[in-house]
Amino acid sequence: AQTVTQSQPEMSVQEAETVTLSCTYDTSENNYYLFWYKQPPSRQMILVIRQEAYKQQNATENRFSVNFQKAAKSFSLKISDSQLGDTAMYFCAFIETSGSRLTFGEGTQLTVNP
Amino acid sequence: NAGVMQNPRHLVRRRGQEARLRCSPMKGHSHVYWYRQLPEEGLKFMVYLQKENIIDESGMPKERFSAEFPKEGPSILRIQQVVRGDSAAYFCASSPLTSGIEGQYFGPGTRLTVT
Repeated sequence: AQTVTQSQPEMSVQEAETVTLSCTYDTSENNYYLFWYKQPPSRQMILVIRQEAYKQQNATENRFSVNFQKAAKSFSLKISDSQLGDTAMYFCAFIETSGSRLTFGEGTQLTVNP
Repeated sequence: NAGVMQNPRHLVRRRGQEARLRCSPMKGHSHVYWYRQLPEEGLKFMVYLQKENIIDESGMPKERFSAEFPKEGPSILRIQQVVRGDSAAYFCASSPLTSGIEGQYFGPGTRLTVT
């Protein structure tokens, strides 16, 4: 069974600074996809970024980028130039290429301070 | 393009009553997934459906819970004889492709409170 671990329950960062959220996972599969979702106080789940395991190049979406280390089974999210609106719970998630269910980590609560 | 719609947003039920949660997928999406989020926890998969078919219900409790996605109309998650432990946020997601590897797009959730 796949597991996803987020070891940082809470983090905080000053506005305009950079923060990195950690995620590790465990799988015996070789082909899979990884995601970061954001859940602001509204509770809406928002897809932030997606990474395909067979691609070595790290995904980037504006101020959000990932550091994907396949051998280490690590998938961290870097947020640059943090904004107050980035305050949210962030979930790392995994899906097998042949599967249908997303497996989520327990989340990291990020607070951006003015 | 409207996103995933869920209603109601908040639902209060007394123990023993039935809860019906509705989900309309994004336009063009034919795959629907239901997840449950207990307080202070991540989302847990419950069931994956396509039109008129349940594809994977391995995360669904064996009793009292059922789901459907009829040919016409929204997907329904039904919880019979609710208990306090069913209090949670229930999220629906949809995807355009089998397995959702392109990403599953979530609705705003239904917060169920059992009193």
